[in-house]
Amino acid sequence: GQQVMQIPQYQHVQEGEDFTTYCNSSTTLSNIQWYKQRPGGHPVFLIQLVKSGEVKKQKRLTFQFGEAKKNSSLHITATQTTDVGTYFCAGRGDDKIIFGKGTRLHILP
Amino acid sequence: DGGITQSPKYLFRKEGQNVTLSCEQNLNHDAMYWYRQDPGQGLRLIYYSQIVNDFQKGDIAEGYSVSREKKESFPLTVTSAQKNPTAFYLCASSIVAHSEAFFGQGTRLTVV
Repeated sequence: GQQVMQIPQYQHVQEGEDFTTYCNSSTTLSNIQWYKQRPGGHPVFLIQLVKSGEVKKQKRLTFQFGEAKKNSSLHITATQTTDVGTYFCAGRGDDKIIFGKGTRLHILP
Repeated sequence: DGGITQSPKYLFRKEGQNVTLSCEQNLNHDAMYWYRQDPGQGLRLIYYSQIVNDFQKGDIAEGYSVSREKKESFPLTVTSAQKNPTAFYLCASSIVAHSEAFFGQGTRLTVV
């Protein structure tokens, strides 16, 4: 069945350093969504990517969808303490969405 | 204010008892979902509904039941058949199936 793998599981960075999380699917995706969940909170939608090779930016966040539509990445430039949380990708294939297990980002002051 | 509301935030039950978690949305969304979140496991889909009076099993439906009698409401019952019910349960809705999802605050269920 369809699987979505996300790496790394945990990431500790110094404030100001960059951060990247990667998402890989076993099957071709029709789209991919990214969510952020703050500690103790609920997931909040960040963005959806649909097109092959698509790149979208939101301030310090850059999202990419691979050419084969089987992988995606989220890159944060110059992390801040407000970036703390778990970042999930969610890939849509066939008629279901599968969430990755998430990458928990911890910022060291 | 439009949104999706789950209640209660914390719930304690004795083993062997059924318990129903509430989820209400006033976003006029057609699709609603229930996810279970365990540490290190991400979000796993329990049930989803694309339209009133219709719902489908997700990846971990065993031991759970749902109903969708009204567009606004999608309650989840955790039955005594669910072997490991202690978890964080998240309800979500979207305009149409599998589009951008809006999540509720979650219900943390502890079964003792």
